[in-house]
Amino acid sequence: RKEVEQDPGPFNVPEGATVAFNCTYSNSASQSFFWYRQDCRKEPKLLMSVYSSGNEDGRFTAQLNRASQYISLLIRDSKLSDSATYLCVVALSGNQFYFGTGTSLTVIP
Amino acid sequence: EPEVTQTPSHQVTQMGQEVILRCVPISNHLYFYWYRQILGQKVEFLVSFYNNEISEKSEIFDDQFSVERPDGSNFTLKIRSTKLEDSAMYFCASSKTGPLTGQPQHFGDGTRLSIL
Repeated sequence: RKEVEQDPGPFNVPEGATVAFNCTYSNSASQSFFWYRQDCRKEPKLLMSVYSSGNEDGRFTAQLNRASQYISLLIRDSKLSDSATYLCVVALSGNQFYFGTGTSLTVIP
Repeated sequence: EPEVTQTPSHQVTQMGQEVILRCVPISNHLYFYWYRQILGQKVEFLVSFYNNEISEKSEIFDDQFSVERPDGSNFTLKIRSTKLEDSAMYFCASSKTGPLTGQPQHFGDGTRLSIL
C-alpha cells in the first residue's frame, strides 16, 4: 500500500460548484497533514495545514479523520483560478514528507 | 515574505557531466529538502538535511547524488555523472522545524534540468 494515496481525477466542475477531494494515508501515527496546490510546471504552494479539529480558510475547508486515516479538502464556489493540481502531503515519520500523486481540478466557465 | 530561492532556473547539461543545483533556504529554517518531479509525474522525495547532515534519503538518492551546505546560506545538490533519466524539475524546500511538528515546508520555484 502506498504511504499516501489520492484519486488523480481529473475533476472537471463548473464555476460555482462545490468539489471535494480525499486523501488516505497508511501510517496511523502520522502527525502532520497539508494540502498544497501546484500549477503546471510550477512549484507546490502551501494551501493549508490540516488540523485535528478541521479548519477553514475562506472557500476552503480541510478535515482530518484519524479513525479512517484520511484527510479531505472541500472547495466551495469554485473559481476558474482554482484550476490546478492539489497535492496531499503527510509527515508519516522521521524527517520526510510524503506526497500523494495529486488530484487534477479544472473549473469550467 | 521570505522565500526559498533556487538557481539556475534552467540547466542544460551533457550526459555524464556533473551538475550542481543551488538553493538558498529561508533564513531561520533549520530543515532542508530536495525533491524531483519528472514531467507529468508526482513529486518524489530525494533527501532531507538537518544540523549539517543527511536525515533521510530515498532509494533515488544513490551514490551519484550528494548534498552540501557549504556556508551559512546555500544548500546544494550535486549529481556526479548525469544520466538521461535525471532530466526533471528539482525543487528545494525548507521548514522551520521537523516534519512531525506541524510546520509546513516552503518550496523554491525549481530548477529544470535537461540532460542531452
